[in-house]
Amino acid sequence: KAGVTQTPRYLIKTRGQQVTLSCSPISGHRSVSWYQQTPGQGLQFLFEYFSETQRNKGNFPGRFSGRQFSNSRSEMNVSTLELGDSALYLCASSLGAAGLGVEAFFGQGTRLTVV
Amino acid sequence: AQTVTQSQPEMSVQEAETVTLSCTYDTSESDYYLFWYKQPPSRQMILVIRQEAYKQQNATENRFSVNFQKAAKSFSLKISDSQLGDAAMYFCAYRTGANSKLTFGKGITLSVRP
Repeated sequence: KAGVTQTPRYLIKTRGQQVTLSCSPISGHRSVSWYQQTPGQGLQFLFEYFSETQRNKGNFPGRFSGRQFSNSRSEMNVSTLELGDSALYLCASSLGAAGLGVEAFFGQGTRLTVV
Repeated sequence: AQTVTQSQPEMSVQEAETVTLSCTYDTSESDYYLFWYKQPPSRQMILVIRQEAYKQQNATENRFSVNFQKAAKSFSLKISDSQLGDAAMYFCAYRTGANSKLTFGKGITLSVRP
C-alpha cells in the first residue's frame, strides 16, 4: 500500500509569489491534515479536510488556504509569500473516523524556502 | 486549550541501554488519544506508538512502551535495547476523539552513542 505522497519535495519562491503544494493520501483515507513545522514554532496545525470539506482550521492568516478533491487528494495554497512562511509543510492522512481511524500517517513533507 | 509539554530538549543513550522520554499534557477532555512520533533526519514523521485514554493498560510496540499516568497527565516513552537507528527527534502528540487536530510538543532530540 502506497504511503502519503507530497509534491514537490523542495520549493524556492520569492516574496510576494504564491505557491501550491500537493498531497495524495493513503488509498481509502478520507481525511487530510496540513501542518507547518519551523524551528521556532514547532509543529502547528493548519487545517483538515474530510470528504472535500474543511473540518478544522488552525490559527493561520487567510493567505493559507486549501482544498480537497473527490479522490481525497488535497492541495494547500499560500498567497503573497512572506519570509516567515519558510518551513517544512507536512501532510497527514487518516481514515478520519474514531477508533482505529485516529492514527495519522505523514508524508515526507515539502520544504518551502522564501527568498 | 490543550497543551503538550516536553521539557527535555535533548537526551543521549548508550546503544543497547534503555531511555525514557517524558511528556505531560493538559486537557479537560475525557475522550482523547496520545501518540509518540519519530522524526529522523529524513524529516518523515513516523508513528511509534499510540495510547487511548480510556485504556488503563500501557501500550507496547516491540522495544517501545509507554507509561501512561492519566491522573498525572503524564505519557512517557521507554525505548529498550536502544539502537543507532533510534537516533531522531521524538514528538509527543495529543488529539481528542472528536477533533482530528494533533497538538504536538516541542520535541526531544535523542542521540544514541555506539
